[in-house]
Formats: sequence, structure tokens, C-alpha cells
Amino acid sequence: RKEVEQDPGPFNVPEGATVAFNCTYSNSASQSFFWYRQDCRKEPKLLMSVYSSGNEDGRFTAQLNRASQYISLLIRDSKLSDSATYLCVVNKGGGATNKLIFGTGTLLAVQP
Amino acid sequence: SQTIHQWPATLVQPVGSPLSLECTVEGTSNPNLYWYRQAAGRGLQLLFYSVGIGQISSEVPQNLSASRPQDRQFILSSKKLLLSDSGFYLCAWSRTRGELYGYTFGSGTRLTVV
Repeated sequence: RKEVEQDPGPFNVPEGATVAFNCTYSNSASQSFFWYRQDCRKEPKLLMSVYSSGNEDGRFTAQLNRASQYISLLIRDSKLSDSATYLCVVNKGGGATNKLIFGTGTLLAVQP
Repeated sequence: SQTIHQWPATLVQPVGSPLSLECTVEGTSNPNLYWYRQAAGRGLQLLFYSVGIGQISSEVPQNLSASRPQDRQFILSSKKLLLSDSGFYLCAWSRTRGELYGYTFGSGTRLTVV
């Protein structure tokens, strides 16, 4: 089983739509969770951390379900500029807590 | 504020040639440093990480090596490149507790081995 698994997509949605991505992780000892955004042929950039209580940043909402070991990202009112690959990121846990493991990403294409 | 620099942006190298990619961080001291590779259509693979000068941990056996000669300098090298070394190489830095704050990536080097 992969350490971090994501649906690769693509998710093709119209502008203004709400879209949600899920991600599952295998190590129950993981304690830190993030969503990164990667534009085509660019470096990944931190979008938001994911906290146990869930957190929101504008149109973006992240949630964590420790019992089921999955993380979600909800994007409301999608913009054309949201088109990118979204990477789910989890720390390795155990004795290697400082290492982050990146999922392969979910591709979002927002259509006009 | 902290910045991370990586160069060159693109590189085309013949099979069997050497490689040296450099990464430097400004505006912080004693960062954790990381080298990742992203093959075409694939996820990010951690190659090396370093928590201090001269301290290198290798994550996967490969044709590459890393060195950290100065606190804020991280170098990725190869003596003889293979076709399979092609990919997008990303350097990243974090604070000591990188898992709390996430990593910040440089702009990457796109390497094509021909």
C-alpha cells in the first residue's frame, strides 16, 4: 500500500463549482498534514496545513479524519486560476517525523 | 524573509557525463535541506536530506550523491549520468521541525539526459 494515495483525476469542473479531493495515508503515527499546489512545470507551493479540527482559508477548507486516515480538500466557487495539481502531504511518523511524504497529486482543470 | 535558490533551471546532459546541481538558502540558519526528484507524470521522491553540515541521509539507492559543505548550501552530484536520471529536481528547506511548518521548495532544475 502506498504511504499516501490520491485519485489522480483529472477533475474537470466549470467555474463556480465546488470540488472536493480526498487522500488516504497508511501510517497511523503521522501527525502533520498539508495540501500543496503545483502548477504545470513549477515547484510545489504550500496551500494550507490541515489541523485536527479542520480549517478554512477563504474558499478552501481542509479536514482530517484520523480514525479513517484520510484528508480532504474542498474548493468552493472554483476559479480558472485554481487549475493545478493538488498534492496531499503527510509526515512520515515514527522515528522520521521530520520527513514529508508527497502524494502523486490530483489534477484539477476548471473550465470557463 | 527566507529565500531558496536553485540553478540551473534547465539542463541537457549526455549519458555518462557528470552532474552538479546547487541549492542555497538565505535568511535562515541551520535549515533542514532536502533533494527531491519528480519523474515525468510521477510523484515527488525524496532522494536525500540533511540536518546539518556534512550530515547526509540517503533515502533510496541510486546513481546520485549529495553534499552539504556549508550551512545553507546543498549540492546534488553524479559522476556518470544515466538516462533514468532525467527528471525535475527540487531542493527544499524547512525549519528544524519541518513537519510542523512544511517545506519550501526552490524553483527546480529540469534535467534531461540524452
